[in-house]
This record gives sequence, structure tokens and C-alpha cells, in this order.
Amino acid sequence: GAVVSQHPSWVICKSGTSVKIECRSLDFQATTMFWYRQFPKQSLMLMATSNEGSKATYEQGVEKDKFLINHASLTLSTLTVTSAHPEDSSFYICSARHLGRSDYGYTFGSGTRLTVV
Amino acid sequence: RKEVEQDPGPFNVPEGATVAFNCTYSNSASQSFFWYRQDCRKEPKLLMSVYSSGNEDGRFTAQLNRASQYISLLIRDSKLSDSATYLCVVNRVGNEKLTFGTGTRLTIIP
Repeated sequence: GAVVSQHPSWVICKSGTSVKIECRSLDFQATTMFWYRQFPKQSLMLMATSNEGSKATYEQGVEKDKFLINHASLTLSTLTVTSAHPEDSSFYICSARHLGRSDYGYTFGSGTRLTVV
Repeated sequence: RKEVEQDPGPFNVPEGATVAFNCTYSNSASQSFFWYRQDCRKEPKLLMSVYSSGNEDGRFTAQLNRASQYISLLIRDSKLSDSATYLCVVNRVGNEKLTFGTGTRLTIIP
């Protein structure tokens, strides 16, 4: 139980285009979804916290107009990287909290490796 | 100073050996502590939570020292499948956000 499905697992796009990443909670309702970015050999850095039915909360230094987050339902949150540039190439991972789990409840998606060429 | 600091390694350890990692955290308001494991190009997966009294799960033992603000992970009788990056993760009181360390890379050598 407590599965978060993330798609696509990898994507290559041209500079200037937009890419949408989806995270779905398959067997539970995720009122809050967290979006992380991880550069090679670095830690996961929280980008934003997405709340169902309201605006996302972005971490300092993360451009909200560039990384658009939509959490329109209790099972789906999306991150759109707009006008992507090579420096946006990274590993993007979502995470949702499942309060029914005994291990404090965070489940991660399998990640999306974005390469902007 | 980073909120969660770990020795990045790499640690290259022979199979069957015991290996220990430490992690320090700077925010005394940190409340919950975890060790996650991340394989190359994969998402992190929870290895174990860390409790104040210390806890053990099979070959893995986690310890917490609140006074010194550090957390440790001990792996006994290491297996080839233990090769991964181990992430120290903390969470503050009243805050759902997790803060990740950079990770310690472990390679078990046959």
C-alpha cells in the first residue's frame, strides 16, 4: 500500500519547451505532496509543497512562475517546468504523506530524470 | 553550515565487515530522524526511523544523541546488496518538511 506513481521516469526536451511531471497517489489520498530536485552527487532539495485545492508553497530561491505546481485532486499533483533550460536538467522526485503508515508516512515517487538539450 | 551534514564517502568496505556512518544536525528543534537508502538513479526508500533509545532492525542499528546532535547508523555483516547511498533525514517539530543530508556512499566489495 501507499504507492506514489510518478511519470514520466525520464524525459529529454529541447531548450525553451515545457515539461509536465505527474505524481499520483494510487491507494490513498494525498492532501500534501512535496516536490524535490536532486542534482548529481547532491542532496534532495525541497522545491515546493503542494496542497490540494490551494496554491503551492515554494522554497526560497525557487521560481514559482517557472515551476508550476497544480494539485487539483487528492490523488494527483503535477509539476510543469516551463521554458526549460539545460541548467534545469536534474532528477525530480515527488513525495506524499500517508498518515496510515507506521513509518511516519512519506512515500516517494520513482523520480523523473529531466535532460534539457 | 548545512542543516544536516554527512561524510560523503565513498566508503569501500569488504563483504562481511561492519561499517558505521555518522550524521550531524544543526537545528535543535529537530524532532524526528530517519535513515533512507537511495540506489543509483532511484528514489530514496526508508531504511529505518531513529528513536531516542536507539533501535535495531536485523543487521542495522541506529542511534540518536540529542545532546551532541548526531545520529549514527551501524551495518553489521555487510552484504553486496547494501551498496547504496545512505541519507540522513531530519524533521522539525510541527513541520512536515524533511531535510536531507547529502548522503554517504557505500560500496561493499566482494
